[in-house]
Amino acid sequence: QSALTQPRSVSGSPGQSVTISCTGTSSDVGGYNYVSWYQQHPGKAPKLMIYDVSKRPSGVPDRFSGSKSGNTASLTISGLQAEDEADYYCFSYAGTYTRVFGGGTKLTVL
Amino acid sequence: QEQLVQSGAEVKKPGASVKVSCKASGYIFTSYYMHWVRQAPGQGLEWMGIINPSGGSTNYAQKFQGRVTMTRDTSTSTVDMELSSLRSEDTAVYYCARDYMYGLDVWGQGTTVTVSS
Repeated sequence: QSALTQPRSVSGSPGQSVTISCTGTSSDVGGYNYVSWYQQHPGKAPKLMIYDVSKRPSGVPDRFSGSKSGNTASLTISGLQAEDEADYYCFSYAGTYTRVFGGGTKLTVL
Repeated sequence: QEQLVQSGAEVKKPGASVKVSCKASGYIFTSYYMHWVRQAPGQGLEWMGIINPSGGSTNYAQKFQGRVTMTRDTSTSTVDMELSSLRSEDTAVYYCARDYMYGLDVWGQGTTVTVSS
């Protein structure tokens, strides 16, 4: 199972929107609506931000949204804030009892 | 509140094995699958495998098959991950994480495993 493809880095200014892509195959991202996204600050455990492609757990700001088209899922962060600067990872179901992460994207808030 | 508490840091020599424990509390242990994820220094997250705490069934990422074993103890609400034949590339932070709707909603604090001669 190969890792999902994410851009190494993205950046944006406070108040702007950024989108992080996550490209897989029809065996993972494209085959199921089970993509989730995680935010990780340095030295901390990851935090679930989006699950089932576009659902937000309670407590996650609605500035965070998810979508999917074909084999590519996307995380959009609108109204960027300084505290959004972190690493972001996508994670997909890839068949029974199988999962795969994306390589991760570093978000810089300029 | 739901919580996963992992065992402490480990230092191992190449070729040895390590066992990391993850104790769950605040929820019904057998109702949620558990995953193990690792992160090498400066690298991304890597999925290692999954265990069903109810029946004990497991599935491991192909990369770790033959070297990893995941077990559970329902009496103590604990899952363990044992990795054998350690090499320097196994130096990483190891996390357990609870499966919720195919996402990982509760994470342990992480356990640092250092492999060094």
